[in-house]
Order: sequence, then structure tokens, then C-alpha cells
Amino acid sequence: DAKTTQPPSMDCAEGRAANLPCNHSTISGNEYVYWYRQIHSQGPQYIIHGLKNNETNEMASLIITEDRKSSTLILPHATLRDTAVYYCIVLRGAGSYQLTFGKGTKLSVIP
Amino acid sequence: DSGVTQTPKHLITATGQRVTLRCSPRSGDLSVYWYQQSLDQGLQFLIHYYNGEERAKGNILERFSAQQFPDLHSELNLSSLELGDSALYFCASSLSGGRQYFGPGTRLTVL
Repeated sequence: DAKTTQPPSMDCAEGRAANLPCNHSTISGNEYVYWYRQIHSQGPQYIIHGLKNNETNEMASLIITEDRKSSTLILPHATLRDTAVYYCIVLRGAGSYQLTFGKGTKLSVIP
Repeated sequence: DSGVTQTPKHLITATGQRVTLRCSPRSGDLSVYWYQQSLDQGLQFLIHYYNGEERAKGNILERFSAQQFPDLHSELNLSSLELGDSALYFCASSLSGGRQYFGPGTRLTVL
């Protein structure tokens, strides 16, 4: 699976959009981009995933560049409950889907 | 609530002992994944079972073993415990693909 690079930490004002970047320059054509988050020591929580096209669900939007070498997770209106570590994971779309977690981005939402 | 249950929530034991962690997946999910989260290693994949069969192994020590039973619940057995085995152990279940539902974890403390 391709490696990912994320900034170690980011701050976001409450109510503003949080834009979390991820670089995955070695991604292959059949690899998906997944985002998970972990709030404190709870179990990680799935947020969203995509292959080529931009995706949106009730939690977030995922923007993938045309060359697929980077992506951005957007939380449109961050709240204090969005304070967490966010993980960008690249996953091949076949076989076992074990997740390889990097260090992620620690997002702090500030009142 | 992810629908995945893990017992016990906390476990305190001594070095050299053996413990069993239990995971019940979401109804209908055939895959169970085990992950270990320690302060120095982060979240690491241990092992994946699909419908009772081992599908993939990650950084799982020989002292650790797992199985998935016909009712699809899974157990992770840790033996000859060492101080360094102290960690949060998560299981996750999935029907297919990379969307996994994580349980609340078992916090193991080895004294």
C-alpha cells in the first residue's frame, strides 16, 4: 500500500471549515484513499473514502486531486467534538483490507 | 455505538501470565481485524480473520494467537506477557472493503 504524509498537527476555529491535507504520491490506480479519526483513546471511526472522484457524506467531504497524488479532507463546520487525530490511509481494493495507520494529524478545534 | 463489543474493558495482570480478549463483531460482518495501540508504536495491525479463516497477519508476536469461532466472535490470546505488551487492543469488524467498525478496545496493563 502507498505511504501517506500528513502534517502532525493543525488548529481550526470552531464553526470554520477544517481542511486536512494528505500526500500519497506513490498511490496506484487501484488504491483507495480512506480517512479515519480517533477521538482520545476511543476506537477509530471511519469518515469517508474515495478512488478518483470527490466524495461527500454527512460527516465530511473528500477532495482528491486529478493526478491522485494528494487529497484533502474537509470538515465543513468544525465543532469541539471534532478534536481528534485524523488518519489518511491508502488501501488496495482487493484481498485483506488491514489498515496501516501512520501518525496522522492531531486536529484541535478551538472555541 | 459501532455495534462491535469487546470484553473486558480493562485488564491488569502480571508478567508471564496469559490473557484472552474477546470481540463480538457487528451482526452480519464476516471479517474481524485485531489492532494494537501502544504509546511508542501507534496503531498496528495484528491479524485478520474472515468467516473463521485467517486471512492476513501483521506484526503479531509468536506469543499471540487468535481465532474466529463459528458464531463469528473472535478471541485474541496473549501469553508469556511482558511489560511491553501493555497497550490498547482494538478489534474491528467489516462486511467488505476498507470500511471497518471498531470496538471500544481493551486496555491491558502488565505489571
